[in-house]
Amino acid sequence: EAQVTQNPRYLITVTGKKLTVTCSQNMNHEYMSWYRQDPGLGLRQIYYSMNVEVTDKGDVPEGYKVSRKEKRNFPLILESPSPNQTSLYFCASSLRENNSPLHFGNGTRLTVT
Amino acid sequence: DQQVKQNSPSLSVQEGRISILNCDYTNSMFDYFLWYKKYPAEGPTFLISISSIKDKNEDGRFTVFLNKSAKHLSLHIVPSQPGDSAVYFCAASGRNTNAGKSTFGDGTTLTVKP
Repeated sequence: EAQVTQNPRYLITVTGKKLTVTCSQNMNHEYMSWYRQDPGLGLRQIYYSMNVEVTDKGDVPEGYKVSRKEKRNFPLILESPSPNQTSLYFCASSLRENNSPLHFGNGTRLTVT
Repeated sequence: DQQVKQNSPSLSVQEGRISILNCDYTNSMFDYFLWYKKYPAEGPTFLISISSIKDKNEDGRFTVFLNKSAKHLSLHIVPSQPGDSAVYFCAASGRNTNAGKSTFGDGTTLTVKP
């Protein structure tokens, strides 16, 4: 089954404790991206990757890091989480071609206290 | 400045009636528009799209209309079914954007009452 898998689904952590949210896709997609969803703000892009070892900032990259060492994986790293990073996070992937629809994971609900 | 706006946070319709979800955009460089549907505890899933060279695209019960001069698009669902109850996101992309990079609206929560 074609899918984007995120882990964990739920995470509660404390300020400053480094964490990683994993994302993996099995569709051989070149493009991968991270979004956060906040009430009244829709889906905002954090980082994206056009291919292996190619990453770039989205609209709200502050406080986040990513890496793309393999085509299928695109982990999101919070080196020092803060309460304003409490949010619902989605990983997505698509073919490289323009206008290809995004395939989303089921989300990771992160709470930083 | 929000480039894609869905001004109605929620919409409630009766089963069997038409649901109309609206979306406005400000960036004239956008030339491709997508609608995604999201159920609770799941990620958004692609529903239907339209290119700016068209003014209408239909897929079963779902039709998207594009009015380029007004920078407005709408999603029509006819007839509406209780299973359509979800959050609907409008998204836009342009010739100068990277593959897959879409700008999303805030979403509209549709409730279809039996």
